[in-house]
Amino acid sequence: DSGVTQTPKHLITATGQRVTLRCSPRSGDLSVYWYQQSLDQGLQFLIQYYNGEERAKGNILERFSAQQFPDLHSELNLSSLELGDSALYFCASSFSRTSLYNEQFFGPGTRLTVL
Amino acid sequence: GENVEQHPSTLSVQEGDSAVIKCTYSDSASNYFPWYKQELGKRPQLIIDIRSNVGEKKDQRIAVTLNKTAKHFSLHITETQPEDSAVYFCAQGTGNQFYFGTGTSLTVIP
Repeated sequence: DSGVTQTPKHLITATGQRVTLRCSPRSGDLSVYWYQQSLDQGLQFLIQYYNGEERAKGNILERFSAQQFPDLHSELNLSSLELGDSALYFCASSFSRTSLYNEQFFGPGTRLTVL
Repeated sequence: GENVEQHPSTLSVQEGDSAVIKCTYSDSASNYFPWYKQELGKRPQLIIDIRSNVGEKKDQRIAVTLNKTAKHFSLHITETQPEDSAVYFCAQGTGNQFYFGTGTSLTVIP
């Protein structure tokens, strides 16, 4: 157990819908990272927050957004869902604001299925 | 500059043999190269990492080598065991971003 929690574990929804994925980082960690893992794409970095502020953006679609709250938990919002958004979404946390030299601890993931 | 190529995509070895996975990157500013192991149905976990000022790092049966000139780094697993079977991801860190390779599915045959 990495100490990072994600809810829900599974999510099934329809195209065009909007969902919210939630992540709580390890105690003491200030950075939260979001990744999308598809079968044919590996782990894709989406976005990073540090202490409530956006720090880095990766391959995140405009239909997706995220935020980090004062208690450091983070939410990833996915809207206008398409079939191709079906994937495993991981949240990871680390202490530092930079990813360098800091191990990222991954949560168990949320499996999103869009029908 | 976030392209990370990882080879092979699948690898099968006999128990006790060595396994080597290679990654190449394009961003010369990259200076941190971790390797993650993901067992089936589980989360990725860091197994070893290397910084750009070091050419090699070893931790028991696992080693990583880095060639900054050629922009490639490799994971070496010696004396493989069935529990080494998993998907391995390389990654390169640039600034605040991590970019992962596409993964190598390693199967160790008993």
